Amino acid sequence: QVTLRESGPALVKPTQTLTLTCTFSGFSLSTSGMSVSWIRQPPGKALEWLALIDWDDDKYYSTSLKTRLSISKDTSKNQVVLKMTNMDPVDTATYYCARGYSGPATSNFDYWGQGTLVTVSS
Amino acid sequence: QSVLTQPPSVSGAPGQRVTISCTGSSSNIGAGYDVHWYQQLPGTAPKLLIYDSTNRPSGVPDRFSGSKSGTSASLAITGLQAEDEAGYYCQSYDSSLSGVVFGGGTKLTVL
Repeated sequence: QVTLRESGPALVKPTQTLTLTCTFSGFSLSTSGMSVSWIRQPPGKALEWLALIDWDDDKYYSTSLKTRLSISKDTSKNQVVLKMTNMDPVDTATYYCARGYSGPATSNFDYWGQGTLVTVSS
Repeated sequence: QSVLTQPPSVSGAPGQRVTISCTGSSSNIGAGYDVHWYQQLPGTAPKLLIYDSTNRPSGVPDRFSGSKSGTSASLAITGLQAEDEAGYYCQSYDSSLSGVVFGGGTKLTVL
């Protein structure tokens, strides 16, 4: 049974760095072809892909947010961490992690976490 | 503005058939990249509905089907049910952006 769960602060201040952790079970990120992505959704708005890390430790980022994002994995803990610097109120959103396959060109997302709402406010 | 364009809303009566379009360009759908569809019920995470343009994951009713042609893709839902009322998103890859792209989402209302 595949599960993913996001954890992190519910509230961050502008200019701070957000750190989110995705803890998963039911699959291994050391298995060839596996990947985990971060996707966010501002309230009432569309989904936006942020970053992907695959089994081979290859990392891919949204072009528009690349300078602010960092994704990493700890295979032994079954965790993927996303860091986003210089947070702004427009970054207020529900942040999801999701399982995928291979790189972004071929990946769909078959399992999702329940999401964590992050509010950016002073 | 999303790279993939979807109608903001569609509606239909129970039992009817509705389609949701997803229009892209030569750098995404038109370049041959697959399209995936997700259903998002209110207050929940998205759920994979169609993958690789036409395939249904196990457990998804065959009332849901996907197609792709040229620079566009479509999701069709037949035998509309009240439980189908949700948001629907298409997803693909864009070579110009070198990343995953989503459509703006379509809200389906069952009348």
